[in-house]
Amino acid sequence: EDKVVQSPLSLVVHEGDTVTLNCSYEVTNFRSLLWYKQEKKAPTFLFMLTSSGIEKKSGRLSSILDKKELFSILNITATQTGDSAVYLCGGGSNYKLTFGKGTLLTVNP
Amino acid sequence: DTGVSQDPRHKITKRGQNVTFRCDPISEHNRLYWYRQTLGQGPEFLTYFQNEAQLEKSRLLSDRFSAERPKGSFSTLEIQRTEQGDSAMYLCASRTLAGQGTFTDTQYFGPGTRLTVL
Repeated sequence: EDKVVQSPLSLVVHEGDTVTLNCSYEVTNFRSLLWYKQEKKAPTFLFMLTSSGIEKKSGRLSSILDKKELFSILNITATQTGDSAVYLCGGGSNYKLTFGKGTLLTVNP
Repeated sequence: DTGVSQDPRHKITKRGQNVTFRCDPISEHNRLYWYRQTLGQGPEFLTYFQNEAQLEKSRLLSDRFSAERPKGSFSTLEIQRTEQGDSAMYLCASRTLAGQGTFTDTQYFGPGTRLTVL
């Protein structure tokens, strides 16, 4: 059975801190690793990673995939209160995404 | 392109009643997915359609659950004889089929239907 594990499950930081969120996966017929941000609504797409070692960046957020170690990280630099959310990691096979439980990030002013 | 829409956004029902939810995917997205999300958990896959064909169902989808996508556009998810354990957020997502040489695994989610069974 496919499995995705995220750590930590929750994290509290101060504005300006840098955070690293972790995601390990065991997905049959793995194709891609996706990161989503979920506030009190539906998940919104952040990144899709398919190749090892190639960093994807969007502003203060970046992510990288290690297909040998079956691992991905999401980095957020200079955190802001608006970054407070649940960050979901999903392992994609040829037809579905298997999600972890998410990391609840709280950024305090 | 107005994104994925779901209706209703909230549904409160009594145990034993039937409920039906609707999802309208992004136009031209031929794959449509249903997920269920409970508090403190990530979304769990329920089923997906490619056009009007239902190609995969999770074992989470009991006999009381049925999903349709009759014309390959919108989809409905019906839960019969609801139980308190069915209380959850039901999320719909859509994506395009990958073109040759490209990955388009990105799924775009709707706002969800929050079901409360009393």
